[in-house]
Amino acid sequence: EVQLVESGGGLVKPGGSLRLSCAASGFTFSNAWMSWVRQAPGKGLEWVGRIKSKADGGTTEYAAPVKGTFTISRDDSKNTLFLQMNGLKTEDTAIYYCTAASMNFDPYFFYYWGQGTLVTVSS
Amino acid sequence: NFMLTQPHSVSESPGKTATISCTRSSGSIASNFVQWYQQRPGSAPTTVIYEDDQRPSGVPDRFSGSIDSSSNSASLTISGVKTEDEADYYCQSYDSSNEDVVFGGGTKLTVL
Repeated sequence: EVQLVESGGGLVKPGGSLRLSCAASGFTFSNAWMSWVRQAPGKGLEWVGRIKSKADGGTTEYAAPVKGTFTISRDDSKNTLFLQMNGLKTEDTAIYYCTAASMNFDPYFFYYWGQGTLVTVSS
Repeated sequence: NFMLTQPHSVSESPGKTATISCTRSSGSIASNFVQWYQQRPGSAPTTVIYEDDQRPSGVPDRFSGSIDSSSNSASLTISGVKTEDEADYYCQSYDSSNEDVVFGGGTKLTVL
């Protein structure tokens, strides 16, 4: 059974930093393109960014609102995805979902989803 | 990036057919695959349609997806709508020029 389990969310003051983790199991993590998607309270889904598999270059892409302040990384030896968030703003308050693509389908399709972790940015 | 525009809400009676549209603002809807996700309150999204018209195992065949180049839009059709289908639905695609992922704003389906 595939599992994506996010952790690291919580309350942080504006300007602060937070590091989210996503522990993956049940599929070949090293082959998967991994993404973070967020959802502000009462709002829609917003793609945050992606890291490709090392076989596909291991490159990262980010949505414009977080470019330069968020960093995605992965540790394939521990089947874990990370999201380092710096310079947090109140508008970054959201549930952050870890997602994974499948090698069998379009790589931009979020095949697997975690249950999400809540990040609240408030003074 | 292009935008994907969905109606804010759709209402339908049980047993009828509900259709949710997703219109691409620029570029061809057929250029990149479209996915549809269902999200019930308090839960993570799940896939109901991927790669334009494919249905994951476990999703009822009442759910179907299509694209229409003439209107540059994708559609999610739910036939024989049930109360359990009440949820928010999001379409999703991506921009080939920069690989950015684009979500539609979401549609709240009410079954009454």
